[in-house]
Amino acid sequence: AQSVTQPDIHITVSEGASLELRCNYSYGATPYLFWYVQSPGQGLQLLLKYFSGDTLVQGIKGFEAEFKRSQSSFNLRKPSVHWSDAAEYFCAVAPDTGRRALTFGSGTRLQVQP
Amino acid sequence: GAVVSQHPSWVICKSGTSVKIECRSLDFQATTMFWYRQFPKQSLMLMATSNEGSKATYEQGVEKDKFLINHASLTLSTLTVTSAHPEDSSFYICSARSSGGAGVKTQYFGPGTRLLVL
Repeated sequence: AQSVTQPDIHITVSEGASLELRCNYSYGATPYLFWYVQSPGQGLQLLLKYFSGDTLVQGIKGFEAEFKRSQSSFNLRKPSVHWSDAAEYFCAVAPDTGRRALTFGSGTRLQVQP
Repeated sequence: GAVVSQHPSWVICKSGTSVKIECRSLDFQATTMFWYRQFPKQSLMLMATSNEGSKATYEQGVEKDKFLINHASLTLSTLTVTSAHPEDSSFYICSARSSGGAGVKTQYFGPGTRLLVL
């Protein structure tokens, strides 16, 4: 079965600083990979996804993520964080069939300092 | 496009009552919908997979008689929490997977329903 690890439970960055949120997955084949963001009390918003092709994917709100097969990683990055980026971020994986539910990581809570 | 709605967004009920939560795909058809549960400061845990016109598939440890799922049409799935108890208080989120087209591999999430059982 696939699994997702987000090693950082909580990260604090200053506004304007760069950000990298880590995500490692465990799966026998190349999975479908996703990053979602959740504001307090809200549902999930899709930031970006990777299915195949270019390993650097661009998402909404200035986020990008890079798929590294050799490291089984799919880290999320943003060059300059805004205060509105404070939220919970979830990495998720789905089997290559794309027909089953997502398996989520435990999430990383991002706090942005002024 | 690809909007999923949930109703209600908030519900408070007495212990022993039943609560129905609706999940609708507003601008696409979804043969498959998923129900997740999220406890405070925790990740989402899959409860069940809802397939249009057939029985739902429940994850291990989820009581199918307590969490009744019905997927009567390609745009609507309902989750009924029967005889709710305080331990059922949680944030319930549904997602819908498009039946075809470019979005076939992407799940779109509803805004969630917060249930509080007194």
